[in-house]
Amino acid sequence: DTGVSQNPRHKITKRGQNVTFRCDPISEHNRLYWYRQTLGQGPEFLTYFQNEAQLEKSRLLSDRFSAERPKGSFSTLEIQRTEQGDSAMYLCASSLIGAGGSTDTQYFGPGTRLTVL
Amino acid sequence: GDSVTQMEGPVTLSEEAFLTINCTYTATGYPSLFWYVQYPGEGLQLLLKATKADDKGSNKGFEATYRKETTSFHLEKGSVQVSDSAVYFCALINAGGTSYGKLTFGQGTILTVHP
Repeated sequence: DTGVSQNPRHKITKRGQNVTFRCDPISEHNRLYWYRQTLGQGPEFLTYFQNEAQLEKSRLLSDRFSAERPKGSFSTLEIQRTEQGDSAMYLCASSLIGAGGSTDTQYFGPGTRLTVL
Repeated sequence: GDSVTQMEGPVTLSEEAFLTINCTYTATGYPSLFWYVQYPGEGLQLLLKATKADDKGSNKGFEATYRKETTSFHLEKGSVQVSDSAVYFCALINAGGTSYGKLTFGQGTILTVHP
């Protein structure tokens, strides 16, 4: 078990470009979460999946953001037409939720730091 | 909606000093409470958790008790070390709300421990 991995670790892009981030969760985990963290703030929830189903999206997730988890394993987060305000650390976490729906611990990846110039 | 408020920081202590970082929450349901730690250059790591009232979470000398009557989950450590320097986040999951499973974080408290 190598933990949650995210790629790339850093991304610098110009305003208006599209970017895509990848998250590989812990292998047996059925839940996958995306959060965004700006400097000096705590992470803010963006969206989450249970297996391949996207169950909730935050109002923070504008139409320019899309996330997928096509086979219930890795996930991608795409930002179209990036803006300077999108500059942040994008965090992925995974957890294992049992049949009874009990809350379980979320394990975080190292994050992808996005800088939009 | 749910929210978490942490004491304003940063906090600067000398080694072996006593640490308290205050955390209070607002939630409509019955949340589980967490402390996460972020060491310089690393990702968020779970430090400890408590899932019901009066539970005490503990790890690496840190403790926090789930106080439902005061809606608090203060983090304490009796004797801090330089290696404890990090950013500490209080968080909750509201299992009784509509946003099942998502973490709501406080703004974080920067702790610096000097030798």
